[in-house]
Parts: sequence; structure tokens; C-alpha cells
Amino acid sequence: SQELEQSPQSLIVQEGKNLTINCTSSKTLYGLYWYKQKYGEGLIFLMMLQKGGEEKSHEKITAKLDEKKQQSSLHITASQPSHAGIYLCGADGGSQGNLIFGKGTKLSVKP
Amino acid sequence: DGGITQSPKYLFRKEGQNVTLSCEQNLNHDAMYWYRQDPGQGLRLIYYSQIVNDFQKGDIAEGYSVSREKKESFPLTVTSAQKNPTAFYLCASSPGLVYNEQFFGPGTRLTVL
Repeated sequence: SQELEQSPQSLIVQEGKNLTINCTSSKTLYGLYWYKQKYGEGLIFLMMLQKGGEEKSHEKITAKLDEKKQQSSLHITASQPSHAGIYLCGADGGSQGNLIFGKGTKLSVKP
Repeated sequence: DGGITQSPKYLFRKEGQNVTLSCEQNLNHDAMYWYRQDPGQGLRLIYYSQIVNDFQKGDIAEGYSVSREKKESFPLTVTSAQKNPTAFYLCASSPGLVYNEQFFGPGTRLTVL
């Protein structure tokens, strides 16, 4: 079965710094989704990537899917306290139609 | 505004009791899902439904039951057979099953006393 590994597990950065979160799949990715979660709340959809080499940006967050479609990175430029939360990557799980998720990366931004 | 609602936000249950978590969506989505989230874990699929009156077991269905009598509603019952029910439960929906981002509700935190 497909597994997603996220790194790092947690990250503390100073406000204004850049950071990168990685998501590595054990199998080829046919749809990769990035979500953000505040503690105790639901997931907020950020971006979806499908094509190898694809890159998408929303405000200061950029996500890429590598050419081989087995790894994605999420890059935040000039981090702000509002970026704090848990970032989860999800991938199409196959026949069930559900998403499988990584365990998440907890981001803290120090003012 | 379209979206997914879950109720209640917090739920407490005594051991041996069944409890039902509500999930409603007005996005006109066909597919709906229930996930469980434990601390430090990713989301694990409990049940999913592609269409009204049809649903399938996910990876951790034991001790749970669902129904899908209406397109908008997908309630989850946590039965007394679930050995470790304390967790954060998330409901989601999507237009279809393939290549569609899922939209999540705010979650229900269930605590068994």
C-alpha cells in the first residue's frame, strides 16, 4: 500500500524566514494535495498537483511535484505567524477513492 | 455559503454507549468520507460513500457504522464495540472519487469517560 512520509515532523522558524516541507511517496503520485490544519480544526485545502514538474503558488506558499512524481515540496516565503499550523500532504489512494495522508508537519513561527 | 458542518464540536460518552456524529454538506457532492485523526498520526479512513444508499468500509471500520439515506448527510455511529474511540473525527466530501480535492468539516472531538 502507498505511504507518504513527511519531513520534518516539526519546524520552528523565526518570522520572516523561508522554509520547506517535503512529502515523499512510496509509489508514483497521481494526485498530490496539500492541506493546512489548525489544532482542533478541520483541514483547509491549499493546492493540488497532478503533473510531474508542476508548480503552483498561492500568496507566499509554493508547492512543487517533482518530475518522477514521487516527491512534493511546500515552500513558504517570508513566514508569518498566520502560517503556523500542521501541514499535511495527501495522495489519491487508488480504488477506494479516498486520500491517504502523511502524518503532518507542525510549523511554529516565532514573532 | 456552501460547506460541510459537523456537530457537535465536542462529545463526551460513557463506556458502553453508542454515539452518533453528524455530518451535513450542501455542496452537492456525491462522495463523502469519515476519517479518524489521533495525535501525531495522519488521517485514517473509516468509511466512505460514493452515492446515496451505498457505502464502503475503509481501513479502520471495526466498531463503526454509517448510513447514507440522503445525499447531504453521512452520519457516523461509534458503537460500544470500538475499543479506543477517543479521537478527533473528520468528515469530508468531494464531487467524485477521482482527482478531486476533498473539503473537510471542522471536526468532532469525541472523548470516552
